[in-house]
Amino acid sequence: AQSVTQLGSHVSVSEGALVLLRCNYSSSVPPYLFWYVQYPNQGLQLLLKYTSAATLVKGINGFEAEFKKSETSFHLTKPSAHMSDAAEYFCAVSDMAGTALIFGKGTTLSVSS
Amino acid sequence: DTGVSQDPRHKITKRGQNVTFRCDPISEHNRLYWYRQTLGQGPEFLTYFQNEAQLEKSRLLSDRFSAERPKGSFSTLEIQRTEQGDSAMYLCASSPSGRAEYEQYFGPGTRLTVT
Repeated sequence: AQSVTQLGSHVSVSEGALVLLRCNYSSSVPPYLFWYVQYPNQGLQLLLKYTSAATLVKGINGFEAEFKKSETSFHLTKPSAHMSDAAEYFCAVSDMAGTALIFGKGTTLSVSS
Repeated sequence: DTGVSQDPRHKITKRGQNVTFRCDPISEHNRLYWYRQTLGQGPEFLTYFQNEAQLEKSRLLSDRFSAERPKGSFSTLEIQRTEQGDSAMYLCASSPSGRAEYEQYFGPGTRLTVT
């Protein structure tokens, strides 16, 4: 069965610093992986997705993620954090049937000036 | 494309009452999903529809939960005899098809508080 583990429930960075949010997955088939962002009292917005076309995936707002099969990882990065990046970030994997998304518990990103 | 909408955005109800939430998906999307999100957790899948057919409902949390999508457009999620443990954010999502690589587009959610 597919699963996702997000390491670190809370990450704090300074404005302008590198953002690194970690996600490891477990899947018995080639996975489809997603990163979503959630701002307070809002729904989830897709940042980027991996669908096997390229291992380095670029998303919106300057975020990118690299799929590493050997490490079963799909970490999210951004070279320079902005105050507006403060939010909850979720990594998800599509289940084998292509129906449900299986989410990690999320990582709260705080950005200080 | 006006996005996925949900109504109401907030609902406060007393324990034992029934509640119903509505979701309007993106118009050309034939897949519609319901998730529940509790505090500090990621969304948890509940059920989904392909047009008007409910193809998975075994993960609805109990028989107090039911969902419909009568004409393949909007959907409703009903919780009967609410309990305090039902307090959560209920999210609706839609996608253009059932292919696993297609992302799901989420609505803003309905936050339920059971007192």
